[in-house]
Amino acid sequence: QQQVKQSPQSLIVQKGGISIINCAYENTAFDYFPWYQQFPGKGPALLIAIRPDVSEKKEGRFTISFNKSAKQFSLHIMDSQPGDSATYFCAARAGGGADGLTFGKGTHLIIQP
Amino acid sequence: DAGVTQSPTHLIKTRGQHVTLRCSPISGHKSVSWYQQVLGQGPQFIFQYYEKEERGRGNFPDRFSARQFPNYSSELNVNALLLGDSALYLCASSLVSNTEAFFGQGTRLTVV
Repeated sequence: QQQVKQSPQSLIVQKGGISIINCAYENTAFDYFPWYQQFPGKGPALLIAIRPDVSEKKEGRFTISFNKSAKQFSLHIMDSQPGDSATYFCAARAGGGADGLTFGKGTHLIIQP
Repeated sequence: DAGVTQSPTHLIKTRGQHVTLRCSPISGHKSVSWYQQVLGQGPQFIFQYYEKEERGRGNFPDRFSARQFPNYSSELNVNALLLGDSALYLCASSLVSNTEAFFGQGTRLTVV
């Protein structure tokens, strides 16, 4: 059972454009939603995270938008650069965290120069 | 500042063998979690340890076990290796349970 659904599976964006990746969840016990960036051969790196009591969080070029009623959240990368080309994962954690992070299947992002 | 360190970085084992993977968390972090990442998929949760006690376990067979030491480092053990255990094994550390979890670069295990 996939508890966090991520789309699209792959995405090509022109340099300077906006990259948008979406995630949806069903488990209302989730209370923490991070995004990770992973380069080939490396572990995932924490980008930005949000809790459901806010609707948006921005850090530099990265923004999370969160819609609690729709149980959806998304990552926006503004002014996308070739160095942003990587695989991006959304994740969610249920209260307490004992069940670990539940990850989406990932989005392979390519930024074309 | 040292991040999460894992050893070894790569490992090749034969079916039926046993393997031990090691993880050192970020200094001051008391929570360590283990994940399995199969090629092309997101990481899957295996175990969480906090203050040397198992706090959570994912849907993995009993062939998988782990422990956390007094210095908060951890090891993951897998017995009776199967071809399907080939994956990148990731360790993540955090101050509290899986909030702001920082990952190591993983151990690439290949079972032949």
